[in-house]
Amino acid sequence: GENVEQHPSTLSVQEGDSAVIKCTYSDSASNYFPWYKQELGKRPQLIIDIRSNVGEKKDQRIAVTLNKTAKHFSLHITETQPEDSAVYFCAASIPEYGNKLVFGAGTILRVKS
Amino acid sequence: GAGVSQSPSNKVTEKGKDVELRCDPISGHTALYWYRQSLGQGLEFLIYFQGNSAPDKSGLPSDRFSAERTGGSVSTLTIQRTQQEDSAVYLCASSPRVGEETQYFGPGTRLLVL
Repeated sequence: GENVEQHPSTLSVQEGDSAVIKCTYSDSASNYFPWYKQELGKRPQLIIDIRSNVGEKKDQRIAVTLNKTAKHFSLHITETQPEDSAVYFCAASIPEYGNKLVFGAGTILRVKS
Repeated sequence: GAGVSQSPSNKVTEKGKDVELRCDPISGHTALYWYRQSLGQGLEFLIYFQGNSAPDKSGLPSDRFSAERTGGSVSTLTIQRTQQEDSAVYLCASSPRVGEETQYFGPGTRLLVL
């Protein structure tokens, strides 16, 4: 079945610096890759997603890149702010199983001011 | 509009008791998913519904876990004879239909089994 690996598990950056989180997946049939941000005690919030027919997508300070050949995708946050501090999860969908999501283990991002 | 809602928000129970967790998806969403998040862990898929049917129950950890959905809306996840390892946050998500990939999460139910 699908396996999603996420790195690093923790990431500490200085305010204003960039943060990059990387994920790999195993199922070549996966075609949808969302990123969720989860603050302590709150629900996961979708921040950006990408489908397999594009290689890059950007939304203000957040961007996601996808390399289908290598089966990896990355989240890039530029000009980080303290409010970006949270746990970030990547996921890959399984089309043949109702698009259920298989999640990475998460990255704790801490932005120091 | 209203998002996905779940109840109760917190549940403390004794080992061996049964619990029922409820999920109200976004109105009109036909696909509904249950996930479990243990402390400090990622999200683990449990089951999904398309309408009232559950084509994939492969994520349910044991036969003590069951779920149903009636009327194509509200879903309940039942855990029988709860064990301490069942303690986790149970999250529900919905999407407009299977094939529309974006999933919107509810706030979760925090279950603690003593």
